[in-house]
Amino acid sequence: SQQGEEDPQALSIQEGENATMNCSYKTSINNLQWYRQNSGRGLVHLILIRSNEREKHSGRLRVTLDTSKKSSSLLITASRAADTASYFCATEGNQFYFGTGTSLTVIP
Amino acid sequence: DAGVIQSPRHEVTEMGQEVTLRCKPISGHDYLFWYRQTMMRGLELLIYFNNNVPIDDSGMPEDRFSAKMPNASFSTLKIQPSEPRDSAVYFCATLRRSGYTFGSGTRLTVV
Repeated sequence: SQQGEEDPQALSIQEGENATMNCSYKTSINNLQWYRQNSGRGLVHLILIRSNEREKHSGRLRVTLDTSKKSSSLLITASRAADTASYFCATEGNQFYFGTGTSLTVIP
Repeated sequence: DAGVIQSPRHEVTEMGQEVTLRCKPISGHDYLFWYRQTMMRGLELLIYFNNNVPIDDSGMPEDRFSAKMPNASFSTLKIQPSEPRDSAVYFCATLRRSGYTFGSGTRLTVV
């Protein structure tokens, strides 16, 4: 079964709004990563947060990690139409897993 | 750095034929993963290697699937015989401390 589960499965927002995606996992991890996948392409690494970190920023991306709840969130601020893609979380620990993904649509 | 290189990009084959997917990883990345992606099942980990040694192949669906990594610069995923339900995009990825690097994938269609 998948280690990382994401919600929502699909999200549709207007350009300029913020998008928040959540990821839950089951076992202990060394780090958690977020990836983006455009239709028909490979996954591209966005950001990595280590298990001893609580929050990390990269440009318009903000990631939080709560190891007590085994959950992470990815916030994309001031969304753009070009942010339309699927977003996946991935955990690295004793095992390697990818989440089920959130399909984000940003409407111009 | 050319990244992770997969070939072919697209493969269409008839049921029962042998299919070989190839991956050239990034030099120095110790872990290599094979993933399969479909609409129904999402991303599935098939097998991964560490320093060319298979570590976990529990995701390989059947004996029809096999993977090898004869050296640090090359890996193959073979399906023999192929079936229509094997149709998917197959990704190779390598891992370092900064995260995965994915290849562009091979889109396999078995008719």
